[in-house]
Amino acid sequence: AQKVTQAQTEISVVEKEDVTLDCVYETRDTTYYLFWYKQPPSGELVFLIRRNSFDEQNEISGRYSWNFQKSTSSFNFTITASQVVDSAVYFCALSEASWGTSGSRLTFGEGTQLTVNP
Amino acid sequence: GAGVSQSPRYKVAKRGQDVALRCDPISGHVSLFWYQQALGQGPEFLTYFQNEAQLDKSGLPSDRFFAERPEGSVSTLKIQRTQQEDSAVYLCASSSGNTQYFGPGTRLTVL
Repeated sequence: AQKVTQAQTEISVVEKEDVTLDCVYETRDTTYYLFWYKQPPSGELVFLIRRNSFDEQNEISGRYSWNFQKSTSSFNFTITASQVVDSAVYFCALSEASWGTSGSRLTFGEGTQLTVNP
Repeated sequence: GAGVSQSPRYKVAKRGQDVALRCDPISGHVSLFWYQQALGQGPEFLTYFQNEAQLDKSGLPSDRFFAERPEGSVSTLKIQRTQQEDSAVYLCASSSGNTQYFGPGTRLTVL
């Protein structure tokens, strides 16, 4: 069975602070995908990133960066110089790898509510 | 291009009523998923279609829940004899590979 744990229920920071959201996962699959999604107050889940289990390179996209460590089953997300618009619920998710156009269900964590105060 | 759309955005039903929730996936996306998101929780898988075939319905909580995608495009999630515990946001996602793109959801409130 797959499981995703986001231990931080709520985080509150002041604008321009750096913040890291933790994600720990469990899976028996040898090949899998990890995701981060953002859910602003409007409710729509916005895709941020997908990582393959065989690619442990860290990734940076603007103010966002992701640290994937297979040895500790963690996939942490850091926002540098946070802004008020970053306030949202952030979900980490896991799926088994699939091929071609088929898909695999996502297993989500409980989410971390990030509040960035001006 | 257009993203995933869902309708209605909000639905209020009296206990015992039947409801139908619609999802329009991204054009050309083969895979379509339904998730249920309770307040303060992460989304939970309900069912999965590949084209018109429902390949996995293991997440449907009871036989009151039924989903279809007859022509491999638009999908409808139907809930019969709604109960208060069915109150949640119902999210639809589509994908053509391994990344799912979500619609805005339908917030169902059962009174």
